Amino acid sequence: TQLLEQSPQFLSIQEGENLTVYCNSSSVFSSLQWYRQEPGEGPVLLVTVVTGGEVKKLKRLTFQFGDARKDSSLHITAAQTGDTGLYLCAGTFMEYGNKLVFGAGTILRVKS
Amino acid sequence: DTGVSQDPRHKITKRGQNVTFRCDPISEHNRLYWYRQTLGQGPEFLTYFQNEAQLEKSRLLSDRFSAERPKGSFSTLEIQRTEQGDSAMYLCASSREPNEQFFGPGTRLTVL
Repeated sequence: TQLLEQSPQFLSIQEGENLTVYCNSSSVFSSLQWYRQEPGEGPVLLVTVVTGGEVKKLKRLTFQFGDARKDSSLHITAAQTGDTGLYLCAGTFMEYGNKLVFGAGTILRVKS
Repeated sequence: DTGVSQDPRHKITKRGQNVTFRCDPISEHNRLYWYRQTLGQGPEFLTYFQNEAQLEKSRLLSDRFSAERPKGSFSTLEIQRTEQGDSAMYLCASSREPNEQFFGPGTRLTVL
């Protein structure tokens, strides 16, 4: 079983709609990151959260970290075609040292 | 731009050949990581350096793989006797602390 589960795997929506993607773990995160990746490129860091219950905003993106530090959500308001990409949840865990453990990602397609 | 750089961006090789990739981290970052990403998956950790010391290696890193960071600055990842299963995107990341890793654009390896 995967340490990190992301849902949904794929999301196709119209421009202007809102969406939420989820990340869940069977272990407690030491820290959690969300990345966005475009085809043929490396992941780009969007946000890091470390405190349970933390909420961070980045323009139209809202990131929430669960109180128990085992889950997170990314909400996009009024999606734009430029939001299209692969959204990856990743985290560090006490038992796994310094490496980032990634989920499989959510592919988001925003249609005009 | 002082982000993480990787060279080459693309490499096509025949099975059995050796290949070497280079990563130049962000200059003030003492931690450097290598990851591998296959289609439809998130990146998987390969190895981690703090300065010039290689502190962690994944079981994914078979004895055909070797990584170095001789002066604590740039790093190289060599794959000997490449196999078709080695085809993937090889990503390098750097950080000052484990929580915020910044990725390079990756090297896409295709083994024929």
